[in-house]
Amino acid sequence: EVQLVESGGGLVQPGGSLRLSCAASGFSFSNYEMNWVRQAPGKGLEWVSYLSSGSTIYYADSVKGRFTISRDNAKNSLYLQMNSLRAEDTAVYYCARGGGYGGNSRFDYWGQGTLVTVSS
Amino acid sequence: QSVLTQPPSVSGAPGQRVTISCTGSSSNIGAGYDVHWYQQLPGAAPKLLIYGNSNRPSGVPDRFSGSKSGTSASLAITGLQAEDEADYYCQSYDSSLSGWVFGGGTKLTVL
Repeated sequence: EVQLVESGGGLVQPGGSLRLSCAASGFSFSNYEMNWVRQAPGKGLEWVSYLSSGSTIYYADSVKGRFTISRDNAKNSLYLQMNSLRAEDTAVYYCARGGGYGGNSRFDYWGQGTLVTVSS
Repeated sequence: QSVLTQPPSVSGAPGQRVTISCTGSSSNIGAGYDVHWYQQLPGAAPKLLIYGNSNRPSGVPDRFSGSKSGTSASLAITGLQAEDEADYYCQSYDSSLSGWVFGGGTKLTVL
């Protein structure tokens, strides 16, 4: 059974940093594209970042230059380093596995999410 | 606003059929990129409902179907059930933004 478990969320002040983790199990992690998707309170879904099974990385314009995605295949884990956090980054952050290929990729499995709150 | 446009809400009585539209542009749906649909039950994470425009993952009832034409896509739900009450999102890829995009979401109410 595919499982994705996020951790690392919490309350942080504007300008602060946070590192999210996603522990994967039930599939061959190193072979899959992985993503972070977020959802602000009461709002819709927003794709944040993509990391291929190789080293191709993409970011949404809203987080480019502030967030860094990475993975450790030996630990079956995905990470999101978030710096210079702003109030508008407040959201539930989901780890999602990529299914398919490239632009036609979908998010076929999701974690339960971890809440990040940016506030003073 | 979202790159993909969905109606904010739709409703229907049990047993009825409803459709949810998803309108894009020439840089996403119209460029030939697949459309995928997700169901988000209250308080839960999203779940993949339809992938590759019209394919159902294992375990998704055949009451759910998807289609795509030109710059738009649609999700149809037949034989509405109370458990279908949820938020539904379409998703595709946008070549102008070089990233994946979602619709704003549609809240389905079963009357």
